Amino acid sequence: DGGITQSPKYLFRKEGQNVTLSCEQNLNHDAMYWYRQDPGQGLRLIYYSQIVNDFQKGDIAEGYSVSREKKESFPLTVTSAQKNPTAFYLCASSIANGKEPYTFGSGTRLTVV
Amino acid sequence: GQQVMQIPQYQHVQEGEDFTTYCNSSTTLSNIQWYKQRPGGHPVFLIQLVKSGEVKKQKRLTFQFGEAKKNSSLHITATQTTDVGTYFCAGSGGYNKLIFGAGTRLAVHP
Repeated sequence: DGGITQSPKYLFRKEGQNVTLSCEQNLNHDAMYWYRQDPGQGLRLIYYSQIVNDFQKGDIAEGYSVSREKKESFPLTVTSAQKNPTAFYLCASSIANGKEPYTFGSGTRLTVV
Repeated sequence: GQQVMQIPQYQHVQEGEDFTTYCNSSTTLSNIQWYKQRPGGHPVFLIQLVKSGEVKKQKRLTFQFGEAKKNSSLHITATQTTDVGTYFCAGSGGYNKLIFGAGTRLAVHP
């Protein structure tokens, strides 16, 4: 079955550490997205990519970095510059330019310890 | 920039009551999508509306797209405990990504 997989499901980070969240899809989607969700809040766009080797900043890109070396993969690194990284991170993918429905992964819960 | 506002932010209902959430855009939308996120889960696509004045139904859920393509609503008839979750609208106004509303969190009391 086609789908989008995020790993790990739970992640704990120490202060000052960089951590990388994985997102892999086998839906042959061109576009991929990263969102941050805080408790009881909506979805805030971090980064998005519409094609391999190209990506754009979203609304809250500071303290995060991404790469898009393969169509199937769009990893997100939460750097030590992100001062409040504890949140639920969602990866999504879609056909074309974001006008098609998004398929979301099951998310990664990141906690700073 | 383009904004999508959603109200109410939160609603409590008794099981069996109806529920409606409203979505308004600052610009004309080419289409609008609705998603549901169960507590602890991830958003799941429900439906897409494209045409002005379009109405679509999924069992007890009714979705409408305004005539001016700047607003939309989701109405649930006779809510059940399985309807609990957050409902998001998302609009595409010709940009290269969807703009999500803040969501309406629905609590259903048995």
